[in-house]
Formats: sequence, structure tokens, C-alpha cells
Amino acid sequence: TQLLEQSPQFLSIQEGENLTVYCNSSSVFSSLQWYRQEPGEGPVLLVTVVTGGEVKKLKRLTFQFGDARKDSSLHITAAQPGDTGLYLCAGAKGAQKLVFGQGTRLTINP
Amino acid sequence: KAGVTQTPRYLIKTRGQQVTLSCSPISGHRSVSWYQQTPGQGLQFLFEYFSETQRNKGNFPGRFSGRQFSNSRSEMNVSTLELGDSALYLCASSLIGSSGNTIYFGEGSWLTVV
Repeated sequence: TQLLEQSPQFLSIQEGENLTVYCNSSSVFSSLQWYRQEPGEGPVLLVTVVTGGEVKKLKRLTFQFGDARKDSSLHITAAQPGDTGLYLCAGAKGAQKLVFGQGTRLTINP
Repeated sequence: KAGVTQTPRYLIKTRGQQVTLSCSPISGHRSVSWYQQTPGQGLQFLFEYFSETQRNKGNFPGRFSGRQFSNSRSEMNVSTLELGDSALYLCASSLIGSSGNTIYFGEGSWLTVV
């Protein structure tokens, strides 16, 4: 059972366009993390959100945690080829292990 | 400070063999988690160790095992390798545990079983 559903699974857009990736669940999480993974490398943490409704910005990336702490979104403005990679969301629930979504494979074409 | 270090980075094994992968966490981190990543299944949790004790375990067969040493370094072992065990094995460390705490990944060990 996949507790975290990411959409879309694959996304290919042109440089300069905007995009949003979604991470949804029917479960409530105490915190949610977003990672980016490049080919052949391990995932690198981008941000952690912990409060319902929280919005965090990292340059052109905007992360939002849903009010009910069941979902999150990642919005990228003016995407660049360097944004290409696998984006993973991961949710924490109390003392249980971190749960990962299946990932969104993003390709930004020059 | 140094990140999570995994060795070896790449290895090829034959079906039926066993393999041991090593992970050195970030200095001061006491929790180490292991994940298997494949294109079809994504990131699957294997197990987590904290202070030399296994604290959480995923749904993998008993062929997959691990341990943690007093210096927080961890190893995972896969016995009787199968073709389906080919994957990227990722280790992640955190201060006190993977749940609710930021975890930091190593670059992974690429295992190919032939």
C-alpha cells in the first residue's frame, strides 16, 4: 500500500515554464520532506515542512504543506535544465519509519 | 562535516553469492536507515538501527540483514543473491531517528546481480 501518492510520475517541459508536483495521502503526517535525486546519486534534502499550511521558498522552488498535513506541493518557477531529476516526497508519522512517495521524474528541456 | 559514506559504490555479484555493504553516518548521528531503490518499486525501507539495535524493519525476506556497531557505522548483508536484488542500496543517517527527523542520504551502492 502506497501511503504517499505523487503526481505526475513523469513530467517533461521546456526551460522557462512553471510546474507543480503533488504529494497526496489520506494519512496525516507530522512532517514532510522533499528530496531531489540525480542519476547515480543519493537523494538530497531540499526542505522539511512541519506546520499545516506552511509555505517555504528555496529560490525558484516553493513548497507548501496542506492545512490538514495530508498533502504537499512543490512549485517550480521558470524551470531550468539544472532542475532535472527525481523529486521525492517523504512523510513522517510519529515513531514509524519515513514513508516515501514513488517520485516524480522531471526533465527540463533547453 | 563529512556526509554519509557508503562503500563500495559499485559491485557485481553472481546469483547465490552474498554481499556486505557498509555505511558510515554523519559524525554524531546515531540512527542509520537502509533503503532499496529500483525503477519499478521506488524507495523501499529495509531497516533502521539506533544505538546498535534494530528499531524498525521493512517487508523484506530474512536474506536481508543488518547491524550497527558502537561507532554507529552500519553494515547490511544480503545472502543467496537473486537477480531481483539488483538495485541501488541507500543508507541514510539522522541524529535520533528517521521519523520526524531530517535524514541525510549517502550516494548509494549499486549492486548488480548476474
